[in-house]
Amino acid sequence: GAVVSQHPSRVICKSGTSVKIECRSLDFQATTMFWYRQFPKQSLMLMATSNEGSKATYEQGVEKDKFLINHASLTLSTLTVTSAHPEDSSFYICSASKPHSGTGVDGYTFGSGTRLTVV
Amino acid sequence: RKEVEQDPGPFNVPEGATVAFNCTYSNSASQSFFWYRQDCRKEPKLLMSVYSSGNEDGRFTAQLNRASQYISLLIRDSKLSDSATYLCVVNLGNRKLIWGLGTSLAVNP
Repeated sequence: GAVVSQHPSRVICKSGTSVKIECRSLDFQATTMFWYRQFPKQSLMLMATSNEGSKATYEQGVEKDKFLINHASLTLSTLTVTSAHPEDSSFYICSASKPHSGTGVDGYTFGSGTRLTVV
Repeated sequence: RKEVEQDPGPFNVPEGATVAFNCTYSNSASQSFFWYRQDCRKEPKLLMSVYSSGNEDGRFTAQLNRASQYISLLIRDSKLSDSATYLCVVNLGNRKLIWGLGTSLAVNP
């Protein structure tokens, strides 16, 4: 089955620094990847949708200059949290969509998530 | 009104109990529906899709009522391992998933 690898699984960084999170599709080419954020006891919130070779589409309220997304290849998307602050501490999860997979069961595969703590 | 609303929970049930979760969605144009399971500090995992005709997977039964914009999940003969948060998820047809807040289930021995 489709596998998405996300790294790192956990990161602690100092306020003001930047953190890069990688999401790789291991056995398929992902034309579309989604980046979610989940605060404690909250639902997953879509931050942005990235399409290979084009600019990401950000959801309302998500700062594109703070959360930089790069989807330069069909197997790799990265999310960089720039100038991180404690309020950016959250669980970040990527999801990859297989081409032509429609909206069915096999359409989405999730990474294992990255727990970011900004101190 | 939230786009996807779920029972607030938490549910605490004994092993072997039957438990039902409800979910409503606001966008009548929603095209596909899912139940996901999320364990603490883990990524969500697909439990099952939900179809209008109803579908069953072992002890789990999902139902969809498009007219009422209502989705349900029934778990029979609960196991300790069923303890998790159950997320109702709706796809608007543009690959954008809308997630419910989740309902926490604790199955007790």
